Amino acid sequence: AQTVTQSQPEMSVQEAETVTLSCTYDTSESNYYLFWYKQPPSRQMILVIRQEAYKQQNATENRFSVNFQKAAKSFSLKISDSQLGDTAMYFCAFMKSYTGNQFYFGTGTSLTVIP
Amino acid sequence: DAGVIQSPRHEVTEMGQEVTLRCKPISGHNSLFWYRQTMMRGLELLIYFNNNVPIDDSGMPEDRFSAKMPNASFSTLKIQPSEPRDSAVYFCASSKGLAGGNQETQYFGPGTRLLVL
Repeated sequence: AQTVTQSQPEMSVQEAETVTLSCTYDTSESNYYLFWYKQPPSRQMILVIRQEAYKQQNATENRFSVNFQKAAKSFSLKISDSQLGDTAMYFCAFMKSYTGNQFYFGTGTSLTVIP
Repeated sequence: DAGVIQSPRHEVTEMGQEVTLRCKPISGHNSLFWYRQTMMRGLELLIYFNNNVPIDDSGMPEDRFSAKMPNASFSTLKIQPSEPRDSAVYFCASSKGLAGGNQETQYFGPGTRLLVL
């Protein structure tokens, strides 16, 4: 079975600073996909960033970037220049490549950006 | 694109009543997912469909829950009879299809907040 672990239930960061959210996963697969989703107080689940395991280059989307360490099975999210609108729950998710498209979600990290 | 559409956005009902949640996936998406989110259990996959066919319903909690996808643009999740422990936010998500070429990315609807009294 696939498991996704987010070991930081809550985090806070000062506005304009940088914060890193951690995620580890357990799998025997060699090819898979990893995602970070953001859930603001509105409850809408919003895709932040996506990484394909066979790509060594870390994905980047504007102020959001990942540090993907395949051997360590680690997939952390870095948010640069934090903004008040970044306040949300952040979920890490894993998907196997070849056996359907079921996602496995972590328990989430609640991030608060402090003005 | 309108995104994934769910209705109703909020539902309050009494124990024992039937509840039907509705979802319209993004046009052209072939996979549809129903999730439930609670504080205690986090985000759980209940069932997913591919090309209107249920692929995995192992997450459906019990026989009181049923889901259908009669066509590519509509799905329902029904709870009958409802119980207070069913209170949660129910999300529908869709994706283009199987893995590869960003087709696997799931896009979520706004959710239905269900309260069973």
